Amino acid sequence: AQTVTQSQPEMSVQEAETVTLSCTYDTSESDYYLFWYKQPPSRQMILVIRQEAYKQQNATENRFSVNFQKAAKSFSLKISDSQLGDAAMYFCAYRTEYNNNDMRFGAGTRLTVKP
Amino acid sequence: GAGVSQSPSNKVTEKGKDVELRCDPISGHTALYWYRQSLGQGLEFLIYFQGNSAPDKSGLPSDRFSAERTGGSVSTLTIQRTQQEDSAVYLCASSRQSYLNYGYTFGSGTRLTVV
Repeated sequence: AQTVTQSQPEMSVQEAETVTLSCTYDTSESDYYLFWYKQPPSRQMILVIRQEAYKQQNATENRFSVNFQKAAKSFSLKISDSQLGDAAMYFCAYRTEYNNNDMRFGAGTRLTVKP
Repeated sequence: GAGVSQSPSNKVTEKGKDVELRCDPISGHTALYWYRQSLGQGLEFLIYFQGNSAPDKSGLPSDRFSAERTGGSVSTLTIQRTQQEDSAVYLCASSRQSYLNYGYTFGSGTRLTVV
């Protein structure tokens, strides 16, 4: 079974600085998808960034980028030039290629942005 | 609608009562998921609907939980004889079948409190 681990329950960053959120996962599969979701106080989960396991190139979306290390089964999220609006819970998620109902989430990291 | 709509936003109920939570997915999204998010935890898969196929109920924690999806659109999650451990945020997500690997669109959830 696939598991997703976020080892940092809470992180803090100064506005305009860079922060990295960690995520590791356990799988025996070679084809899968990884996601980072943001959950602000409104509770709505918002997709931040997505990575396909067969792609070696790290995904980037504006100030958000990932460091995908397939062999190490690591998928960290880097937020550059942090903004107050980035404060939220961040969830790492793993989705198998082979089962439509199987998206597994980590326990989340609460990010605080200090002005 | 423009997004996934869930109602009610918050629900307080007495232990032992039944509750119904509603999810209205994005029009045209054939895949619909229910997740449960307990305090400090990641998202726990509950049930998955895909078109007219039989739902995948493998995540439902007990027979007190059930869900239906009428006409391939609106879904209702019912919890019978609620217990205090049922207190959580219940999130609904939907997706087009062909876009499952691109992530889901989530609603803002229903916060259920059992007193």
